[in-house]
Amino acid sequence: AQSVTQLGSHVSVSEGALVLLRCNYSSSVPPYLFWYVQYPNQGLQLLLKYTTGATLVKGINGFEAEFKKSETSFHLTKPSAHMSDAAEYFCAVSDRNTGNQFYFGTGTSLTVIP
Amino acid sequence: DVKVTQSSRYLVKRTGEKVFLECVQDMDHENMFWYRQDPGLGLRLIYFSYDVKMKEKGDIPEGYSVSREKKERFSLILESASTNQTSMYLCASSPGRGNSPLHFGNGTRLTVT
Repeated sequence: AQSVTQLGSHVSVSEGALVLLRCNYSSSVPPYLFWYVQYPNQGLQLLLKYTTGATLVKGINGFEAEFKKSETSFHLTKPSAHMSDAAEYFCAVSDRNTGNQFYFGTGTSLTVIP
Repeated sequence: DVKVTQSSRYLVKRTGEKVFLECVQDMDHENMFWYRQDPGLGLRLIYFSYDVKMKEKGDIPEGYSVSREKKERFSLILESASTNQTSMYLCASSPGRGNSPLHFGNGTRLTVT
């Protein structure tokens, strides 16, 4: 089974500062990669995904992520944090061979300080 | 837009009760999933289904069962609720191709007293 590691269960940034949320996966064959956001008392919403092609992918709300095969990473960034970005963020992978199962990291809670 | 609807946002049940959590999706997706979410543990897969009447155990199936009689509906059943099943339960669906993302419902927060 795949494993997904999100470094830092809690991240705090000042409003306007760079947001960097880290995600590493374990598979030797690059999986499909996803970032989700969860606002309080809601389900998960897709931010962005990487399946093939350009390794820098752009998502909603100004977020982007870069797939780095050599580092088995898919870190999420945003140049300037807004108060509305405060939420829980989950990295997930799906195996290219089976495609039916998704594996999630344990999540990173982002706090934005005014 | 895909819509995944969970029948209850909040539920309070007593220990030993039989509990049904219902989930309906409106996009003819092949796959449906039940996860539970607990602080510090992320999302853990309970069961998933890739077709009507088909089911597969996930990572933590003990104490749960599922039913998928129709393609659009996937039910999670707690046969005899226990306090350690107090959690947020999330239903999701996907078209069945690994490069397609999961679509989630808003979750059901279950409290077992």
